[in-house]
Parts: sequence; structure tokens; C-alpha cells
Amino acid sequence: GEDVEQSLFLSVREGDSSVINCTYTDSSSTYLYWYKQEPGAGLQLLTYIFSNMDMKQDQRLTVLLNKKDKHLSLRIADTQTGDSAIYFCAESSLSGYSTLTFGKGTMLLVSP
Amino acid sequence: DTGVSQDPRHKITKRGQNVTFRCDPISEHNRLYWYRQTLGQGPEFLTYFQNEAQLEKSRLLSDRFSAERPKGSFSTLEIQRTEQGDSAMYLCASSLVRGSGNTEAFFGQGTRLTVV
Repeated sequence: GEDVEQSLFLSVREGDSSVINCTYTDSSSTYLYWYKQEPGAGLQLLTYIFSNMDMKQDQRLTVLLNKKDKHLSLRIADTQTGDSAIYFCAESSLSGYSTLTFGKGTMLLVSP
Repeated sequence: DTGVSQDPRHKITKRGQNVTFRCDPISEHNRLYWYRQTLGQGPEFLTYFQNEAQLEKSRLLSDRFSAERPKGSFSTLEIQRTEQGDSAMYLCASSLVRGSGNTEAFFGQGTRLTVV
């Protein structure tokens, strides 16, 4: 079955760049997503990338996709304390393209 | 319309009781999903509806769980004879599926269930 892996924790200083990494196993993945979850809150879609793209930039966010290695990363430029949250990588595949398989999440802690 | 709405936000129940959660999706969205998230884990897919039809159910959805979307708008998720292992955040999401496919699923804030 599908599997999505993420590192569990990342700590950065305010103003630095953060890079959160994700690997997935399903070669039929069509969309890959990054969601943000703040304490006690639901999931907020940050960005997504279609599998035939290798990069997408949206303001401070840059997503890189290496389809050969099944590796996805999210780079947050000029990280702010408000970026502290759990970040989930998720994928959807052709076989069940409407359902998402999530990683366990990466907790990002931004210190002043 | 302010997004996906879930009710209640929190529910504490005794083991063995039945509970029902409600989800109101974004109004024009035809797909509705239920996920479950336990502490320290990512959300896990439970089931989804296309309009009123339930199209897919995860093996996580035991016989004690039932979901409905009778008119293709709001949905309910019922858990019968709750067990402590059912304690989790139950997340609802919705999306709009067109002929070209489906991209974004928007999530509600979830219902946190605690079974004591």
C-alpha cells in the first residue's frame, strides 16, 4: 500500500529558511500536497504540486518534487514564529485520486 | 460560506455509548470525506461520498461505524458502542470534482472525541 514518510521535528530560527522533507512510495501518485495544522485546529492546505511538475513557487513557499526518487520538499523562506505548526505531506493516486494518504507530520518550531 | 463546518467540536462519551457527528461541506462541493486522526499521527482516510453515494470505505471503518449523506449536502458519522480506541479527532473535508479531476480538499476543524 501507499506510504508517506516525514521527519518528525525541525527547529529553526526566525528569519532562516526551513526545509521539510517527505518521501512516498506510490509511483502512481498524481498530486502531492502540503498541509499545515496548528494546535487544536483542522488542516490548512498550503500548496500542492502535480506529479508532472518538478517545482512550484508560491510567495514564501517552494515545493520541489523529485519523481524519480519519490521525494518532495517544502521550503519556507524567511520563517516566522507564526509558521510554527505541524506540516503534513500527502499524496493522492490515480487509483483513489480523491483520497489522501498522509505522513505523520513534521513539527516545525520557530524560535525568535 | 465560510468553509467546512463540523459539529460538535468536542465530545466526551462513556464507553459503550453511541455518538453522532455532523459535517456541513462547502456548499457547491460534491465530494465529502471523513478522516480520523489520532495523537501524533497524520489523518487516515475513512470514507468518502460523491453526492449522496458512498463510494469508498477504508478497512478502518468497522461495522460500528456508519456514515450517511442523505441529500448530498451534510453528512453524519455515527459510532455505535464506542470503545476507548475510538478516541481521536474526526476530520471532514470536501472538494469539487469536475471532469478534469479533483485537486483540493478543504478540511473542517474536526470533532475531538474522547471515550472514557
